Amino acid sequence: SQTIHQWPATLVQPVGSPLSLECTVEGTSNPNLYWYRQAAGRGLQLLFYSVGIGQISSEVPQNLSASRPQDRQFILSSKKLLLSDSGFYLCAWSPTSGHQETQYFGPGTRLLVL
Amino acid sequence: AQSVTQPDIHITVSEGASLELRCNYSYGATPYLFWYVQSPGQGLQLLLKYFSGDTLVQGIKGFEAEFKRSQSSFNLRKPSVHWSDAAEYFCAVRFSGTYKYIFGTGTRLKVLA
Repeated sequence: SQTIHQWPATLVQPVGSPLSLECTVEGTSNPNLYWYRQAAGRGLQLLFYSVGIGQISSEVPQNLSASRPQDRQFILSSKKLLLSDSGFYLCAWSPTSGHQETQYFGPGTRLLVL
Repeated sequence: AQSVTQPDIHITVSEGASLELRCNYSYGATPYLFWYVQSPGQGLQLLLKYFSGDTLVQGIKGFEAEFKRSQSSFNLRKPSVHWSDAAEYFCAVRFSGTYKYIFGTGTRLKVLA
């Protein structure tokens, strides 16, 4: 079966510091991968999605970037964190085979920028 | 722009009462519809999904949802709510031919004992 991992689970970082959040998927090949941010008490904001290695689509211009160095690895980065980057970051994957694609979520990373 | 609306931000029901959470989506190509549940500090768990066929779909934990194309709606229902159902519920849509999933802003369910 497929599983999705995110780490770290919790992160406290000072303003201006760099960021690297990692997401990996096991048990599938060539998944579509997604990064979302969920601010406190708010819905999900799609940040990036990727339909293949090296293919990244950005939804919202901001202080973050994403990379997909391997088929099942998706990394969210920042060179300098802002206070507004605090939130709950969720990685998700969906299969690419067949039209009944469903999105599955990881456990999330809670980021607090101080 | 394509969107999903969950008009109820908070809903409170008594344990054992019935529940209906509303979801409407903006018109687009063939919609694929989903409901997810999120407990505090956790990721989203898929409750049920609709792609085609029977418009009444069954999910986990006793939930069901009905797709009404004429109303662009996909409301979630449960006949008898349990205290463990207290969580936040998200409706989502993906239109055919796209990779993006569009989420509603969520409905927070509180269950009274």
